[in-house]
Amino acid sequence: GESVGLHLPTLSVQEGDNSIINCAYSNSASDYFIWYKQESGKGPQFIIDIRSNMDKRQGQRVTVLLNKTVKHLSLQIAATQPGDSAVYFCAETPDTGRRALTFGSGTRLQVQP
Amino acid sequence: KAGVTQTPRYLIKTRGQQVTLSCSPISGHRSVSWYQQTPGQGLQFLFEYFSETQRNKGNFPGRFSGRQFSNSRSEMNVSTLELGDSALYLCATRIGGRTGELFFGEGSRLTVL
Repeated sequence: GESVGLHLPTLSVQEGDNSIINCAYSNSASDYFIWYKQESGKGPQFIIDIRSNMDKRQGQRVTVLLNKTVKHLSLQIAATQPGDSAVYFCAETPDTGRRALTFGSGTRLQVQP
Repeated sequence: KAGVTQTPRYLIKTRGQQVTLSCSPISGHRSVSWYQQTPGQGLQFLFEYFSETQRNKGNFPGRFSGRQFSNSRSEMNVSTLELGDSALYLCATRIGGRTGELFFGEGSRLTVL
């Protein structure tokens, strides 16, 4: 599906708090999911990925949760830091041999010091 | 190792002109994808090249085209520019295959006047 980003939702958190960023996807055939971080003036940067045969994956300070039943993905950032301030995108691709990513509209994370 | 390099970083064109953007992938990466990013539509897939062949294409008009050279470097061209083509054009590369981490460049920001 297309992503629409006219009004980017914003999540504002205090430094040190945990952040949870949510993403809904529409394609039930999606098999592979990725979270990207995009800082101002830069291209998206890979954070963490998860395949549809998993419901949770952890990285350094980040955890991705996948709920295939309701087609929902979330990114949890522990002990949020000012450097985490950015726009976060989820992306998905189906297991059909098609390799293009479909991106969500993004969420802006603002970390207050 | 060097990241994905896109040139030019910024350019201004007028309606009706054409533009060519270049992307040099990370050494060893054979897959190059192009995305358009706008505030209204978010990140949208344009096309992907692998071993000099286009293997996937998004839903963009024929004015948007691309190619890949034997050294994996890629170019995209937009002809007969329209105001709506103003966007950040992002190149993303990976080693190859169906999935795998995509590495994005910092983009070429095109403004059409």
